[in-house]
Amino acid sequence: AQSVTQLDSQVPVFEEAPVELRCNYSSSVSVYLFWYVQYPNQGLQLLLKYLSGSTLVKGINGFEAEFNKSQTSFHLRKPSVHISDTAEYFCAAPNSGGYQKVTFGTGTKLQVIP
Amino acid sequence: DAGVTQSPTHLIKTRGQQVTLRCSPISGHKSVSWYQQVLGQGPQFIFQYYEKEERGRGNFPDRFSARQFPNYSSELNVNALLLGDSALYLCASSGDWSSYEQYFGPGTRLTVT
Repeated sequence: AQSVTQLDSQVPVFEEAPVELRCNYSSSVSVYLFWYVQYPNQGLQLLLKYLSGSTLVKGINGFEAEFNKSQTSFHLRKPSVHISDTAEYFCAAPNSGGYQKVTFGTGTKLQVIP
Repeated sequence: DAGVTQSPTHLIKTRGQQVTLRCSPISGHKSVSWYQQVLGQGPQFIFQYYEKEERGRGNFPDRFSARQFPNYSSELNVNALLLGDSALYLCASSGDWSSYEQYFGPGTRLTVT
């Protein structure tokens, strides 16, 4: 079964600075990976997904992530953050087994400081 | 197009009571999954239903049950509520049972006192 680890529980960053949110995965089979964002008091929104192909994946709101097989990582990056990016970000991976279970990391709270 | 909707938005129950949460998937979506998100943690998978049949179940006690109706809406039932059941319950829908691209609703916040 796949698992994901988010190394940072909170990441403070100044507005317009770059940010990287870290995610490592553990899997011995084909890898699919996702990043979701959760704004305060809201559900989850899919930011981007890696299913196959190019290892650099571009998502919504200017975010991108790079799949690195040798380092088993799928870090999320944005070159310049905005106040509106303040939210919790979850790395996630589906489990094989004939049904649609998705395993989420513990989340990283991004706090953008004006 | 309407997204995934859930009701109620908030709910307060007492220990030992029973609760029913409701979810309407995106129009045309046949798969509904339920997740529990305890404060400070990532969502945990509870159930997936597709075409009114249970496709998968997470590591939750039998107090948790669900069903899906012919219009693909779904209900999650929790019996004999415990304080630890306090959480945000999220519903997600997708077009088919194997699609990993799920669309989440805003959730129902359950508080057990």
